[in-house]
Amino acid sequence: EAGVVQSPRYKIIEKKQPVAFWCNPISGHNTLYWYRQNLGQGPELLIRYENEEAVDDSQLPKDRFSAERLKGVDSTLKIQPAELGDSAVYLCASSLRTDEAFFGQGTRLTVV
Amino acid sequence: QQQVKQSPQSLIVQKGGISIINCAYENTAFDYFPWYQQFPGKGPALLIAIRPDVSEKKEGRFTISFNKSAKQFSLHIMDSQPGDSATYFCAASKSSYKLIFGSGTRLLVRP
Repeated sequence: EAGVVQSPRYKIIEKKQPVAFWCNPISGHNTLYWYRQNLGQGPELLIRYENEEAVDDSQLPKDRFSAERLKGVDSTLKIQPAELGDSAVYLCASSLRTDEAFFGQGTRLTVV
Repeated sequence: QQQVKQSPQSLIVQKGGISIINCAYENTAFDYFPWYQQFPGKGPALLIAIRPDVSEKKEGRFTISFNKSAKQFSLHIMDSQPGDSATYFCAASKSSYKLIFGSGTRLLVRP
């Protein structure tokens, strides 16, 4: 079974530039999560999707972050414009049942 | 009330020893307590999880001990191996939807 696939693995951009991350969840998983992990810390939830509906985006900084999950499968997380403080690892996860979330390898973003 | 406090921040154990990592929570509505293992450059992977209706769960060398009255839970790694060297995160959630992670424990198992 293929795991959660994320791309790109690494991204370096200048501040004020836009950036997008892509996630392909495990086949059949209807729940998709985006987490942000700052260096030396645990992941923090940004947004959760149930199929194509964003059911919890309370932690998503909506002034610069946006996300979409068209057709309830793949998802894209976008930052525009990026700030220095956005440097982190962005993790995508998916689950079938509510219990176990499977994480992708993440995208390491560096904003310079 | 949403925080999960994890300790220690780092841990060094000799091969064959027992590694113990502790977590404490405040929100009594939490009903799912997983532990994740993360290797450098990888995403977190579920190691073992427990619900409040049991006080202990064991899977191979990994055991979760849960103390509902103290609002604490811990991970015990028996016969620790160098391959166990990783960062471990405890987490908690209500109905599994929104995991609140601890700050992580970096474990080093010396050969």
